[in-house]
Amino acid sequence: KQEVTQIPAALSVPEGENLVLNCSFTDSAIYNLQWFRQDPGKGLTSLLLIQSSQREQTSGRLNASLDKSSGRSTLYIAASQPGDSATYLCARDGSGNTGKLIFGQGTTLQVKP
Amino acid sequence: DAGVIQSPRHEVTEMGQEVTLRCKPISGHDYLFWYRQTMMRGLELLIYFNNNVPIDDSGMPEDRFSAKMPNASFSTLKIQPSEPRDSAVYFCASSFPTNMSTEAFFGQGTRLTVV
Repeated sequence: KQEVTQIPAALSVPEGENLVLNCSFTDSAIYNLQWFRQDPGKGLTSLLLIQSSQREQTSGRLNASLDKSSGRSTLYIAASQPGDSATYLCARDGSGNTGKLIFGQGTTLQVKP
Repeated sequence: DAGVIQSPRHEVTEMGQEVTLRCKPISGHDYLFWYRQTMMRGLELLIYFNNNVPIDDSGMPEDRFSAKMPNASFSTLKIQPSEPRDSAVYFCASSFPTNMSTEAFFGQGTRLTVV
């Protein structure tokens, strides 16, 4: 069974810190890994998509990496800001290259001013 | 494109009533997914369609749940009869696979409360 695990479940940091969110998954036969952001009571915003042939993707202060052999992905947030406070969800493809996703439980981040 | 559009955004209904959630995928996308999000179980896939045909409905919790996709631009998720434990946020997503990768795009969700 394909599973996705995110640790920690919650994280609180002071503003300005660099931080890493972790995601691990079973079954290294992966097509894509996607990171999402979810604000309280809101929908999912796609942050980064990493193809299986890639090792990392960058968007602004965000950098996501993928290591298929170890079944791990990380989301690096540089110079964190209070506006980064949200829940971050990691998801891997669940049925080939279709867009079907299996989600982790998420990491809830609080960045304190 | 306006993205994936879901309606209603919020629904409050009494136990036993029928509830219908609606989704309009991004034009040209040939996969459509229905997910449910709860505090206890997180985001779970309920059912998905390819070219309007249901491919996998193993995530549908009970026979009270049904989903249809009558055409490429519209899908419904129906719960009949609804129960308080169905209270959750229901998300619709769509995708268009390419040779290299597939990105899923999500709607804003429908927050369902069954009282």
